[in-house]
Amino acid sequence: DAGVIQSPRHEVTEMGQEVTLRCKLISGHNSLFWYRQTMMRGLELLIYFNNNVPIDDSGMPEDRFSAKMPNASFSTLKIQPSEPRDSAVYFCASSFSGAEAFFGQGTRLTVV
Amino acid sequence: GENVGLHLPTLSVQEGDNSIINCAYSNSASDYFIWYKQESGKGPQFIIDIRSNMDKRQGQRVTVLLNKTVKHLSLQIAATQPGDSAVYFCAENMNNQGGKLIFGQGTELSVKP
Repeated sequence: DAGVIQSPRHEVTEMGQEVTLRCKLISGHNSLFWYRQTMMRGLELLIYFNNNVPIDDSGMPEDRFSAKMPNASFSTLKIQPSEPRDSAVYFCASSFSGAEAFFGQGTRLTVV
Repeated sequence: GENVGLHLPTLSVQEGDNSIINCAYSNSASDYFIWYKQESGKGPQFIIDIRSNMDKRQGQRVTVLLNKTVKHLSLQIAATQPGDSAVYFCAENMNNQGGKLIFGQGTELSVKP
């Protein structure tokens, strides 16, 4: 298995534009986590899913952020409209039934 | 204004020495703990884990100790190598909150050759 795959690796966008980050889980994993990493706040959990169902989205900063799992192996994190303070590295991670989570390489988002 | 970031704890060790990285966790109901290593430009990588029914677990060159009384974890790295230089995070799985995986702030390990 190629591991957790995130795309794009880098994204530069203008303020106000919609941004969609993508994540492919490891085959057979049933939990999916989205994290944001910044110098100011470290690694923050935004949202996580178990078996395609969002369990806790209390870390999602505001209504501009939304996440979906259209199927068991894929997830998107959307920011609409994007703002400069959303600039960060966004990671997704997957795990199987509460075991260790495996991380993707991250998407570095810059909003100008 | 100036961007003030997190002031990560740092640990500087000589190559070949042992390293001990400490972590305090927040939820007494957490039942599963993981140490991750993050190198520059990469995602966190799993190192070793431990469940709350254990107080020690050993891997290759690494040992994790868990003290539930004071909610403390430590990661010991034997014979530290330059390739061990990275930021190390502890994470706790809050099983009583549906498996929420929360990370500590991290410790930067620097290995001097």
